[in-house]
Amino acid sequence: NAGVTQTPKFQVLKTGQSMTLQCAQDMNHNSMYWYRQDPGMGLRLIYYSASEGTTDKGEVPNGYNVSRLNKREFSLRLESAAPSQTSVYFCASEDISYEQYFGPGTRLTVT
Amino acid sequence: AQKITQTQPGMFVQEKEAVTLDCTYDTSDQSYGLFWYKQPSSGEMIFLIYQGSYDEQNATEGRYSLNFQKARKSANLVISASQLGDSAMYFCAMRDRNSGYSTLTFGKGTMLLVSP
Repeated sequence: NAGVTQTPKFQVLKTGQSMTLQCAQDMNHNSMYWYRQDPGMGLRLIYYSASEGTTDKGEVPNGYNVSRLNKREFSLRLESAAPSQTSVYFCASEDISYEQYFGPGTRLTVT
Repeated sequence: AQKITQTQPGMFVQEKEAVTLDCTYDTSDQSYGLFWYKQPSSGEMIFLIYQGSYDEQNATEGRYSLNFQKARKSANLVISASQLGDSAMYFCAMRDRNSGYSTLTFGKGTMLLVSP
C-alpha cells in the first residue's frame, strides 16, 4: 500500500516552460486535491476532484489545469510556468471520514 | 477575514511538558469539522485529530487532545508530555458549508520546538 505518490520530487523550470505533476493513490478514495504551500501562507487549495470525471477550482487556480484521469490519478499541469509558481505542491486524497492523506510533495522552482 | 487563525508563529516547550497551540475559526455554519495536521521538517503532512461541531466530547488521540470551545470558536491542540519528535509545524484546518463540505481551509501554521 503506497498511499499517495507524487512525481517528480523536485523540478526546476525556466519561465514559460510547461510541466505536469503526477499524483496517484491506491486507497480507492473518491476525492483528490492539489495544494500549494508557500512560506508563511499555509496550504492553499488549487483544484480538487470530488469524484472521477469532476474537477473544481479552489482558492488559487489561476495558471493551473488539472485532469482526473481515473479514480487513482489526478494530475496538475502548468502550461506556462512563472516565478510566482515556485512552491511546494502537495496532492492529497480523502477517505469517507474526511481524513486527508497527503503525498510527499513536489518542490518546484521556476527561474 | 481569515477563516482559520493561528496567532502563534512559533512556540517553545521543554520535553515532557504540555503545550497548547491556538486555533480560532470563523464560520456561520452550525455543521463543520476541525482538523489538526503535523508537518515535520521532512515535509510530509500527518493527520493528528478531528473534531466535529456536534461532537459533545473533546476529541483525543493518544497524547493529542483538542480543546474545543464552540462559543469562542476556538479549537486548540493540546500536546501532553512533549517529545523531541513533536518538533514540527502544526496546521489547524476547517471544513464547512461555505466550502461545500468538499475542501479544507488551512491556517498559516505554528512552528513548535521541543527542547531537551
